Amino acid sequence: GESVGLHLPTLSVQEGDNSIINCAYSNSASDYFIWYKQESGKGPQFIIDIRSNMDKRQGQRVTVLLNKTVKHLSLQIAATQPGDSAVYFCAEKSGQNFVFGPGTRLSVLP
Amino acid sequence: AAGVIQSPRHLIKEKRETATLKCYPIPRHDTVYWYQQGPGQDPQFLISFYEKMQSDKGSIPDRFSAQQFSDYHSELNMSSLELGDSALYFCASSPSRGTGNQPQHFGDGTRLSIL
Repeated sequence: GESVGLHLPTLSVQEGDNSIINCAYSNSASDYFIWYKQESGKGPQFIIDIRSNMDKRQGQRVTVLLNKTVKHLSLQIAATQPGDSAVYFCAEKSGQNFVFGPGTRLSVLP
Repeated sequence: AAGVIQSPRHLIKEKRETATLKCYPIPRHDTVYWYQQGPGQDPQFLISFYEKMQSDKGSIPDRFSAQQFSDYHSELNMSSLELGDSALYFCASSPSRGTGNQPQHFGDGTRLSIL
């Protein structure tokens, strides 16, 4: 995965607003994608996944959209809450393993 | 529900020393992955094991080795430690590949600091 060093892209949203986090993936042959949430001092936590035969999948307050044409993945969080503040990573399956994209730090403003 | 257990949580070593990190996967998960994460960076894949055999190899230095044991726990052995090895080391596990695409479940990592 690519690194953005110590300065992650940051998305700041007001509490209650919707958040959209974007991710570009590299391998057009990838058939499975995951969004992870990582809080400080913890490991990545599974949020939602999507297979390449789908273009949208919904969970509780989260929706993942997959655009295979432009190799783009997005995570939408509805009614963002303070507990959603974290770094979010997308991961694409490459062979039997996963390649992580650069994270996005989500900050929820009161 | 049981999660991935990693030990130790924190480890401080000096240059040129060795370190061993341990990972206990979720019960009935037979695939284990190791990742290294530097500050502000995404997790970088190091190595994985499936049914006690090495499955894939990523950016793991030759100074590091790993194995998966008969009880499916895994150990990452690190030798000739360098300052640049300071990072968070995560282990993840997933169910059998025969069940199709499955997400990895991560432990909370070992923070390794090299002085």
